[in-house]
Amino acid sequence: QVQLVESGGGLVKPGGSLRLSCAASGFTFSDYYMSWIRQAPGKGLEWVSYISSSSSYTNYADSVKGRFTISRDNAKNSLYLQMNSLRAEDTAVYYCARVVVTATNSHYFDYWGQGTLVTVSS
Amino acid sequence: SYVLTQPPSVSVAPGKTASITCGGNNIGSQGVNWYQQKPGQAPVLVIYYDSDRPSGIPERFSGSYSGNTATLTIIRVEAGDEADYYCQVWDVSSDHPVFGGGTKLTVL
Repeated sequence: QVQLVESGGGLVKPGGSLRLSCAASGFTFSDYYMSWIRQAPGKGLEWVSYISSSSSYTNYADSVKGRFTISRDNAKNSLYLQMNSLRAEDTAVYYCARVVVTATNSHYFDYWGQGTLVTVSS
Repeated sequence: SYVLTQPPSVSVAPGKTASITCGGNNIGSQGVNWYQQKPGQAPVLVIYYDSDRPSGIPERFSGSYSGNTATLTIIRVEAGDEADYYCQVWDVSSDHPVFGGGTKLTVL
């Protein structure tokens, strides 16, 4: 069965860095786009970034552009999010999710990990 | 940027029908997806591509759209359906997904 397991969250000071990982299993990882989505405490879902199956294309929310970098290692079935220059407003649970791209170029998230909490505070 | 508008809350009695709306410009052209999120859990896809149901999702859940509004309908609501529900589309102009603000479904 499809499993996505995030790790790497924790407490970090403003301006600090953190690297999140997502270990995937139960499917052919290299066939799928992958994405990071976050949820601040008590708030709604906010898309952060996604990466194509071969890493040839990435996209970022304006709120993290220039500070976060998404990457993947298909040989290790792993997705990553390098987060630099962290701010208090980056505090959230970060989910990795598998992306399904339809024939009409619509996209949806069919599997999600359980999330990892990132807290940015001094 | 593209905006999806959901009511913050919807309340329904057990056994009745709940309708959760999601408004957006020409939303029918986007392919609307719906997610259920229970407290402390990750979101779960319940409807994709407007009206398709993933395996394992009860037939009580259905999706539709008309004009600029998509609707998630849950018939014969159960206590276990109490959750936050989010709609989502792909904004082709910016090439990224957009989520609605979420609707808290309360089962009375």
